[in-house]
Amino acid sequence: EDKVVQSPLSLVVHEGDTVTLNCSYEVTNFRSLLWYKQEKKAPTFLFMLTSSGIEKKSGRLSSILDKKELFSILNITATQTGDSAIYLCGSRLDNIYGGSQGNLIFGKGTKLSVKP
Amino acid sequence: GEEVAQTPKHLVRGEGQKAKLYCAPIKGHSYVFWYQQVLKNEFKFLISFQNENVFDETGMPKERFSAKCLPNSPCSLEIQATKLEDSAVYFCASSHRDRTARYSNQPQHFGDGTRLSIL
Repeated sequence: EDKVVQSPLSLVVHEGDTVTLNCSYEVTNFRSLLWYKQEKKAPTFLFMLTSSGIEKKSGRLSSILDKKELFSILNITATQTGDSAIYLCGSRLDNIYGGSQGNLIFGKGTKLSVKP
Repeated sequence: GEEVAQTPKHLVRGEGQKAKLYCAPIKGHSYVFWYQQVLKNEFKFLISFQNENVFDETGMPKERFSAKCLPNSPCSLEIQATKLEDSAVYFCASSHRDRTARYSNQPQHFGDGTRLSIL
């Protein structure tokens, strides 16, 4: 069964700390891995990773994928209270034999709380 | 539009009633996905469309749930004879077609969701 596991499920840090969120996956016909930030409503797209070892960066956030070890990490440096959210990791499937194509399988998310 | 627009934001129905949710994808996006999120747990994939055609319905419950994407209309997800367990937030997402790939590998962009409460 395809699955995505995120850790930790919950994390409390202080402003200025650096955090690393983990995502491991076991899926058949893996295509890409996506990170989202969910505050109150819509998950907001952060990164999509397709190739191993290539870091994607946006401001204080960065992410990398390891397709050999089947995991990804999301780093946030110099955290701010506005980073408080649930961070979702999703694996995109691509079954060329006609099965599930294109939908995302999400982990349970990591709830990050950044205290002032 | 520039965002995925879902309506209504909140829908309350008595058990056994019908519920209909709407989603307008981002303009120019060819793929629409519906997900169900129960109690802030994982997203459960329901169904996807490529334009007005069903692309993947492997997550759709066999009974009571149906969905459509018709030309020049918002997509819809309809639940007949609702049950308490249907209470959830239903998210719609859309993505652009990647013309260099056989299947779209563009990121999905989500709407704010419709919170469905069955009483």
